[in-house]
Order: sequence, then C-alpha cells, then structure tokens
Amino acid sequence: DGGITQSPKYLFRKEGQNVTLSCEQNLNHDAMYWYRQDPGQGLRLIYYSQIVNDFQKGDIAEGYSVSREKKESFPLTVTSAQKNPTAFYLCASSRQGLAGADTQYFGPGTRLTVL
Amino acid sequence: GQQLNQSPQSMFIQEGEDVSMNCTSSSIFNTWLWYKQDPGEGPVLLIALYKAGELTSNGRLTAQFGITRKDSFLNISASIPSDVGIYFCAGQPRDDKIIFGKGTRLHILP
Repeated sequence: DGGITQSPKYLFRKEGQNVTLSCEQNLNHDAMYWYRQDPGQGLRLIYYSQIVNDFQKGDIAEGYSVSREKKESFPLTVTSAQKNPTAFYLCASSRQGLAGADTQYFGPGTRLTVL
Repeated sequence: GQQLNQSPQSMFIQEGEDVSMNCTSSSIFNTWLWYKQDPGEGPVLLIALYKAGELTSNGRLTAQFGITRKDSFLNISASIPSDVGIYFCAGQPRDDKIIFGKGTRLHILP
C-alpha cells in the first residue's frame, strides 16, 4: 500500500535529550512537511522540503532540525533547545510542493511526551 | 501573514442533522482542501477543490470552492456517529505554502 509512515506512535524522552522522529513515504512525492499540533490547536509548520537535499524553515523552526538525504525520508530532530517539545507531530507529503495546485497527505502522527 | 478563518469552532448536533462549516480568507487561493482528523490520528483528505465555483461531493459530504476564490464551505448531510472529529480546511495561494484553518470540532449528541 502507498502511504506515509511515522514511527514510533508514542515517544517518551527526558528533558534535555534530543529525539528524532521518523517519516517515510512511498508515494514518490517530491515535497515533505513537518507540522506540530497542540491540544485544541491547528497545524503549525515546522520545516518543509520541496526536493532532496533542500529544506526551508516553517513558522516555528526554532529548536528543530531536519535532513532530506533521500526522497522518501524526512526525519525531524527535536533538540534540547526546543522549550516546549511535548506535542503531536505530523508528517505530510505532496507531489510537487509549491510548484502548483497540490494536495498534502498526512501520516498517522507521533505523540512526543517530554518528562 | 495570510490567515484562514474557519467557523464555527465547534458544533453540537443531533444524529441525522445536516452540518455546514466554512472557511474564509482575505487572500485569493488556487486550491481548497478539506480534511477530517480523528483523535490521535493524522488528518485524512476528504475533498480537494481546484477551480473557482467547483462543487464536489464525496458520499454525504459536499464542498464548494467559492466564486471569489476567498472562501469554501463543507456540508455533511444526515450526520452519523462516525462523523465526530475535527474538520480542517486548508487553502493554497499561488506559489506558496498551504495554510490550515484552526478546525471545526463536531460533536454528535446521543
């Protein structure tokens, strides 16, 4: 089945530790995105990548880092610099990003809790 | 920056009732998308609209791309318990990132 996978579903970390969230897609999409969702809130864009080896900061990039070494993978690292990392993290992908009318498809999400 | 106003924030309805929600923007969009999110899951795409005036149905769901390109609505007919969740609109301006509304939380009363 084609789709987006995120792992793990639930993640617990101690304060001060870096943690990496996985996102893989087999849809052959060029663009990938990371969003953060807090309770009762909408989606806020952390980072996005329109093509391999390129990525741009979104609206709330501070305390996060990403890489895009392969088309199908876009891991997100939540660093110790992120002041309030506990949240639900969503990965998405789209066929062509900003190049035209496009549609984003989401993974199932990872709930990160920092203790 | 560009913003989407989605309303209402929440709705409480009886099973079997019709539902209507909408999104408005101060900017013109080239694409409107509607998603549903169940608790603890990622949003699932319901309907995608690419042309002003377009009216598209998906089962009991109907959505329209406003003629001014600054608004869109989603209707759900004859609601059932599994319609409960959060509905997000999203719009994409020309050559820019998709913007999401804050969501409409749908509750169905027993």
